[in-house]
Amino acid sequence: GQSLEQPSEVTAVEGAIVQINCTYQTSGFYGLSWYQQHDGGAPTFLSYNALDGLEETGRFSSFLSRSDSYGYLLLQELQMKDSASYFCAVRDSYGQNFVFGPGTRLSVLP
Amino acid sequence: NAGVTQTPKFRVLKTGQSMTLLCAQDMNHEYMYWYRQDPGMGLRLIHYSVGEGTTAKGEVPDGYNVSRLKKQNFLLGLESAAPSQTSVYFCATRDLNEQFFGPGTRLTVL
Repeated sequence: GQSLEQPSEVTAVEGAIVQINCTYQTSGFYGLSWYQQHDGGAPTFLSYNALDGLEETGRFSSFLSRSDSYGYLLLQELQMKDSASYFCAVRDSYGQNFVFGPGTRLSVLP
Repeated sequence: NAGVTQTPKFRVLKTGQSMTLLCAQDMNHEYMYWYRQDPGMGLRLIHYSVGEGTTAKGEVPDGYNVSRLKKQNFLLGLESAAPSQTSVYFCATRDLNEQFFGPGTRLTVL
């Protein structure tokens, strides 16, 4: 089977930096994705890591360690609009499907 | 470009009724997916398609059927709705490592 773990909730203040962790146990692994979902909305793609290391896209960065089955999403200079749920997802061993984690609800306080 | 659209946006069914959810895309993507999302949970894969005329089961396929007669459309059918199928249903396409989600269909089964 496949399972992913994320913290259920994270709270931070505007302007701060927050890290959302994701650990996974899968029978196969192609890569790790991150998605953002605002309440009532659809998930939107943030990043994808296939290789170890840090990928940076503006205020967001994503990190992967394949040997540790671990990744994280780093959000810098937090803004109120970053309040949302964040999901990690593993692309499975066949490369066709994604298994999603339970999600982390981020609340950004003024 | 409309991207990924879903019809209907909301629906209320009585137990035992049937219905079809329509997903349409104008991005010419081969891969299409149907997920369900329950409160406080991640997305769970119901069925997916790797191209016109193909379908395959995901993690939670029981009680659902799908068809992909045309590349741009992916239909999800509920033959005999049950209260356990109350959920938000998302359709998605995939291009390389990124998934593109529709706005969702909120289904309630009484």
